[in-house]
Amino acid sequence: GAVVSQHPSWVICKSGTSVKIECRSLDFQATTMFWYRQFPKQSLMLMATSNEGSKATYEQGVEKDKFLINHASLTLSTLTVTSAHPEDSSFYICSASRNRDEKLFFGSGTQLSVL
Amino acid sequence: DAKTTQPNSMESNEEEPVHLPCNHSTISGTDYIHWYRQLPSQGPEYVIHGLTSNVNNRMASLAIAEDRKSSTLILHRATLRDAAVYYCILRDEYGTYKYIFGTGTRLKVLA
Repeated sequence: GAVVSQHPSWVICKSGTSVKIECRSLDFQATTMFWYRQFPKQSLMLMATSNEGSKATYEQGVEKDKFLINHASLTLSTLTVTSAHPEDSSFYICSASRNRDEKLFFGSGTQLSVL
Repeated sequence: DAKTTQPNSMESNEEEPVHLPCNHSTISGTDYIHWYRQLPSQGPEYVIHGLTSNVNNRMASLAIAEDRKSSTLILHRATLRDAAVYYCILRDEYGTYKYIFGTGTRLKVLA
């Protein structure tokens, strides 16, 4: 089956630094990828929809300048948390599908801890 | 986006069937019903999806009400590995194409 690889699995950083999370579709091309964040014991919250070659579409309340999304190729999307603060500590998950009609494949997630 | 309502938690004994309900009274004609599950510290994984007819696959069955305002995910024989949070999601095939997760049902399987 299709595989979505997310890296790193976990990261610890100091407050004020930036962190980049990569999401790759290993065996298929993904024109659209989705980024979610999840706090402990809560559901997934959609942050943005990433489209290859164009600007990401952010959900209401998500800061575009804080969470930079780049979808440079059909197999790679990146999420950069800029000037991270402790409140940005969360589980970030990416997902992709082969086409509009198909199910989503999810990465294994990245646990971000900001000290 | 149409909303779904699920019980917060359910329990089942191992090797017994489990019926996980989902209400979606505002479903539109083009909304597909998707089910995903999430094991602890992992990304969600696809379980099953359907539009109008009941669906079966190797993981589960999906029973959809005739008026489509509710559906039930059926795990025929629960195992300890089925303990997870199960999410019922409506996805508009012709609209925003987004997957909006609800609160989900945390399934506990008792040995």
